[in-house]
Amino acid sequence: AQSVTQPDIHITVSEGASLELRCNYSYGATPYLFWYVQSPGQGLQLLLKYFSGDTLVQGIKGFEAEFKRSQSSFNLRKPSVHWSDAAEYFCAVGGFQKLVFGTGTRLLVSP
Amino acid sequence: GAVVSQHPSWVICKSGTSVKIECRSLDFQATTMFWYRQFPKQSLMLMATSNEGSKATYEQGVEKDKFLINHASLTLSTLTVTSAHPEDSSFYICSARDRGVETQYFGPGTRLLVL
Repeated sequence: AQSVTQPDIHITVSEGASLELRCNYSYGATPYLFWYVQSPGQGLQLLLKYFSGDTLVQGIKGFEAEFKRSQSSFNLRKPSVHWSDAAEYFCAVGGFQKLVFGTGTRLLVSP
Repeated sequence: GAVVSQHPSWVICKSGTSVKIECRSLDFQATTMFWYRQFPKQSLMLMATSNEGSKATYEQGVEKDKFLINHASLTLSTLTVTSAHPEDSSFYICSARDRGVETQYFGPGTRLLVL
């Protein structure tokens, strides 16, 4: 069965510090992997996606993620966090039809 | 590009009434649309998948007679919550995907409060 684990419910990072959000997945075939961000009361915005090829993918707002097949991971990173990055982040895995989401990680940014 | 809208963004209704939520793809043709439900501080749970012109496929445990989904055109899907009850109060989010594209684009969500 497909599943996504985001082990950190919430993370607090100082503004300007680096960020890594963890995501592990279980999927029977080569997965399509996504990171979405959700601001309070809003829908989801796609940050980046991995389908194939280069395992380090660049996204919007300075985010990047690295696909590691051996670890079944797709961690999200940003070298310098801005206060506006405070939001809920969801990792998702899927094939062509369905997406399975992780439980999300809430990012808090301290001054 | 790839903008999805939802209407209304907020709805408050009395118990027993029906509520319709619209999901539109504004700049692409959405051959498949998805409806999710999100409880506070929780993840998104897929309710159903609808392909244009065919019946929706509901996830296990989702009552198809309660959550009516219509995907009559390539740019519009509707979710009707029939005979709504307070436990149906939630945040409903739709997403849309074009033919041959693996990425889902999400709407801004509709918050439903049933009194």
